[in-house]
Amino acid sequence: LAKTTQPISMDSYEGQEVNITCSHNNIATNDYITWYQQFPSQGPRFIIQGYKTKVTNEVASLFIPADRKSSTLSLPRVSLSDTAVYYCLVGPNYGGATNKLIFGTGTLLAVQP
Amino acid sequence: DSGVTQTPKHLITATGQRVTLRCSPRSGDLSVYWYQQSLDQGLQFLIQYYNGEERAKGNILERFSAQQFPDLHSELNLSSLELGDSALYFCASSAARQGSEQFFGPGTRLTVL
Repeated sequence: LAKTTQPISMDSYEGQEVNITCSHNNIATNDYITWYQQFPSQGPRFIIQGYKTKVTNEVASLFIPADRKSSTLSLPRVSLSDTAVYYCLVGPNYGGATNKLIFGTGTLLAVQP
Repeated sequence: DSGVTQTPKHLITATGQRVTLRCSPRSGDLSVYWYQQSLDQGLQFLIQYYNGEERAKGNILERFSAQQFPDLHSELNLSSLELGDSALYFCASSAARQGSEQFFGPGTRLTVL
């Protein structure tokens, strides 16, 4: 499974757009990029998943460049309730491989008023 | 609410004891995963079951075991408990045999004294 590197922490203010970048230089051809959010003492929550280019849902956008060696999670107009740890995960999503999730250290996003 | 339930929410026990954690997956999900989250190790995958059969094993100690029953609920058994086993234990479920979108339960906080 590809190793991921993301900032340990980020600070932002309410109403701002936040971009969290994850590096995954060893991503494999059949690997997907998935982001999870975790609040203290709660289980992680799936945010978004993508393979290439751009994916958008009601919560976030995920930008993946052509070489797929990095990805950026974009949270539009954050609020205090977006303060959480954000994990970037890379791994296969189909076809014979186990689907254990390998969590790194994540990025602690602190949103201030 | 993810639809995954875990009991008990909190568990306090002594070293050397044995405990059982219970998980009920979302309705219709066949895969169940167990994760351990401690301050020093982060979120670690322990084991996965799919429709009653063990599918993948992670960093699960020999003192730990799990099973998935015909009604798809799962139990994680922890024996000969040590202080270092104190952690949050999460159960997750997913619909597909391999699917990166996993739904996590609220967790069981285990404290070993």
